[in-house]
Amino acid sequence: QVQLQESGPGLVKPSGTLSLTCAVSGASISNSNWCSWVRQPPGKGLEWIGEIYHSGSTNYTPSLKSRVTISVDKSKNQLSLKLSSVTAADTAVYYCAREEALTGRPLGIWGPGTKVTVSS
Amino acid sequence: DIQMSQSPSSLSASVGDRVTITCRASQSISTYLNWYQQKPGKAPMLLIYAASILQSGVPSRFSGSGSGTDFTLTISSLQPEDFATYYCQQSYNTLRTFGQGTKVEIK
Repeated sequence: QVQLQESGPGLVKPSGTLSLTCAVSGASISNSNWCSWVRQPPGKGLEWIGEIYHSGSTNYTPSLKSRVTISVDKSKNQLSLKLSSVTAADTAVYYCAREEALTGRPLGIWGPGTKVTVSS
Repeated sequence: DIQMSQSPSSLSASVGDRVTITCRASQSISTYLNWYQQKPGKAPMLLIYAASILQSGVPSRFSGSGSGTDFTLTISSLQPEDFATYYCQQSYNTLRTFGQGTKVEIK
């Protein structure tokens, strides 16, 4: 079955760049639908960051658009998230999730998430 | 952006209770509405998609309804494993947005 696994540094310094990867197993990312990044600050709700199609097309939430880059590496079967100029407000658990080929375009498969703390 | 608002933000209920959570969109989203369940320390899990279609493996006590701007998630008989936070999410346009969540707690 398809599985997603996020990875990356758990600690990032303020003003630095947060870089995460999401490894896809059990399916080729080239045949996948849109893949999203979603984050959840401590004790708060879910925030959709953006998504990428295997062709490289992207959509980003307006509030983060100037700082976010999502990319796909087909050779490694993974997607990546970069968030620049981070502050403490970017401290969160970051999830990658894959859209299912179903009516309503739901995010049907999620990785376990990776916790990122922004602190000096 | 399409804003999603859920009510209530939290509720207390007993095992066996019928629970209803509502989700309202700031504009019509047809039936592009999905529901997720999240337990502490875990990733969200898809419960219902397209407003009313139960994801494979999800118990039939969960149901969803609605279209346009108003949607509901109903748990017909609350079970101990259902105590969690529930989120609605719209996929009508390219910018997906989540509701703020509804925490279902034990009474």
